[in-house]
Amino acid sequence: DQQVKQNSPSLSVQEGRISILNCDYTNSMFDYFLWYKKYPAEGPTFLISISSIKDKNEDGRFTVFLNKSAKHLSLHIVPSQPGDSAVYFCAARPNNNNDMRFGAGTRLTVKP
Amino acid sequence: DVKVTQSSRYLVKRTGEKVFLECVQDMDHENMFWYRQDPGLGLRLIYFSYDVKMKEKGDIPEGYSVSREKKERFSLILESASTNQTSMYLCASSPPGHRTGELFFGEGSRLTVL
Repeated sequence: DQQVKQNSPSLSVQEGRISILNCDYTNSMFDYFLWYKKYPAEGPTFLISISSIKDKNEDGRFTVFLNKSAKHLSLHIVPSQPGDSAVYFCAARPNNNNDMRFGAGTRLTVKP
Repeated sequence: DVKVTQSSRYLVKRTGEKVFLECVQDMDHENMFWYRQDPGLGLRLIYFSYDVKMKEKGDIPEGYSVSREKKERFSLILESASTNQTSMYLCASSPPGHRTGELFFGEGSRLTVL
């Protein structure tokens, strides 16, 4: 039973355009939501996070939006760059422990 | 910078062999985790540990065991490897009380069981 779902296995965008990666979750106990980026043959690296008390968090070209009522979050990358090409994992955890759950990942390809 | 080191990047084992995957972190983190990554399934939690000699089952512990004898080291053990355990194994650590619970990952160990 996947508690965190990324329904798009892949996404392709043109350089300079916006990339929007989506994530849905089922567990209402999740309090923190994170995005990780993974290049081939490397471990995932933390990208950006948001807590459940916020609906938006921005860090440079990356913005995460949270819609708690819909149990949905999204990652916006503007403008997209070829170096952003990677697999992006959505993750979530409750407030009272570090038991983090991951989605299946979305492979983003940014074309020059 | 936090460094999580996994001892083997690539392993090839035969069915029935015992396999040890070692993970060491150098930032004095209490929490350590083992995940496996499979296409279409993302990262699934196998085992985790919040302290020395402590372990908790994750979502898919069957066929695995772990050992945490020292704070910096968390080992994943496959007692009798099977072909369905062919996967990418990722170790991670995190400090306690970290607001977001951000995990720091190693580079992964790709295991092939023949």
